[in-house]
Amino acid sequence: AQRVTQPEKLLSVFKGAPVELKCNYSYSGSPELFWYVQYSRQRLQLLLRHISRESIKGFTADLNKGETSFHLKKPFAQEEDSAMYYCALSGYGGSQGNLIFGKGTKLSVKP
Amino acid sequence: NAGVTQTPKFQVLKTGQSMTLQCAQDMNHEYMSWYRQDPGMGLRLIHYSVGAGITDQGEVPNGYNVSRSTTEDFPLRLLSAAPSQTSVYFCASSRDRINYGYTFGSGTRLTVV
Repeated sequence: AQRVTQPEKLLSVFKGAPVELKCNYSYSGSPELFWYVQYSRQRLQLLLRHISRESIKGFTADLNKGETSFHLKKPFAQEEDSAMYYCALSGYGGSQGNLIFGKGTKLSVKP
Repeated sequence: NAGVTQTPKFQVLKTGQSMTLQCAQDMNHEYMSWYRQDPGMGLRLIHYSVGAGITDQGEVPNGYNVSRSTTEDFPLRLLSAAPSQTSVYFCASSRDRINYGYTFGSGTRLTVV
């Protein structure tokens, strides 16, 4: 079965503290992993793609196939990082190319 | 490029009414999808299309209908609105679903009373 699990509904940190948003997945095949961000009442925006191995707004994410994880990390959180974060996967297998989303983690960065 | 455009932004319906949520993209993307976003549920796929004339059901298709007569447009029809369809609806498009992800519209906030 295809599934994305984000175990934390809410993560609250202080400005300047490190952040790690957890994402675990199960997928029958070789998935591509993504992180999307949604600022208050705005559209979802693509933050990171596993395949590009890039760093956006200071965020990075590493795919760990052994642990089936794709955690999102940032060494020093900023107040403007406060948003809803969704981990998602896609692939040619069970999802038929469609995005399967986790339930999201709300990140709150306090001053 | 306007990207993905959704109309209307807000809508209130009475139970039993029907309506169409509009979605248009100007990026010549083959793939388009409709999702609904509910608190604590994340985003769930309603219907999707891999090209003009081809549509298929997602995870939660009941009560919704779609068609794809052109590459640009992918309207979502609510046949007989129910309070359970109160949600935020997002349309998304992609040129290559696997590697590039999706571009999302700004959403339609629908309330059914």
